[in-house]
Amino acid sequence: LAKTTQPISMDSYEGQEVNITCSHNNIATNDYITWYQQFPSQGPRFIIQGYKTKVTNEVASLFIPADRKSSTLSLPRVSLSDTAVYYCLVVVIGGRRALTFGSGTRLQVQP
Amino acid sequence: GAVVSQHPSRVICKSGTSVKIECRSLDFQATTMFWYRQFPKKSLMLMATSNEGSKATYEQGVEKDKFLINHASLTLSTLTVTSAHPEDSSFYICSATASGIQETQYFGPGTRLLVL
Repeated sequence: LAKTTQPISMDSYEGQEVNITCSHNNIATNDYITWYQQFPSQGPRFIIQGYKTKVTNEVASLFIPADRKSSTLSLPRVSLSDTAVYYCLVVVIGGRRALTFGSGTRLQVQP
Repeated sequence: GAVVSQHPSRVICKSGTSVKIECRSLDFQATTMFWYRQFPKKSLMLMATSNEGSKATYEQGVEKDKFLINHASLTLSTLTVTSAHPEDSSFYICSATASGIQETQYFGPGTRLLVL
């Protein structure tokens, strides 16, 4: 499994766009990138998933360059409720395997 | 998205007792479920893989006789912490994979266990 590296923490203010970058240099052809959000005392919540280029949903955008060695989760106009830990994971397509969580990025949104 | 539930959400028990935690996939069938444990300020650590109709696969360092897993149906897996001790106090989270092209893994809300 490709190891992921992301910043330990980030600070932002309400209304700003937040970009969290994750590096996964050893990503394989069958891997895709998945991001989860976790609030204290709750299970991780799926945010977005992608293989290449750009993926957008109602919550976030995911940018993946052509070499797929990194990815960027973009949260538009964050609010206080976006304060959470964000995990970047590399997942094998069709693998039905357990996920290996890194330390995640602790995002603190200030008023 | 798919919904995974856990019960109870919180449990307090005395040392030496056993505690059962249920994990259910509410709107999909899951042949495989996973159990994780999370200590305060730490990331999730995989404990075991629960396979419907067969024995669970445990990660290194996780005692299978202490953490009993049963996956009797395609929508239910249970984790029983036997003879719980204070060091077993933690946040237990299950997950299940929904079928589909990308097979996204969905997590339950977690169960907070406190052993006194």
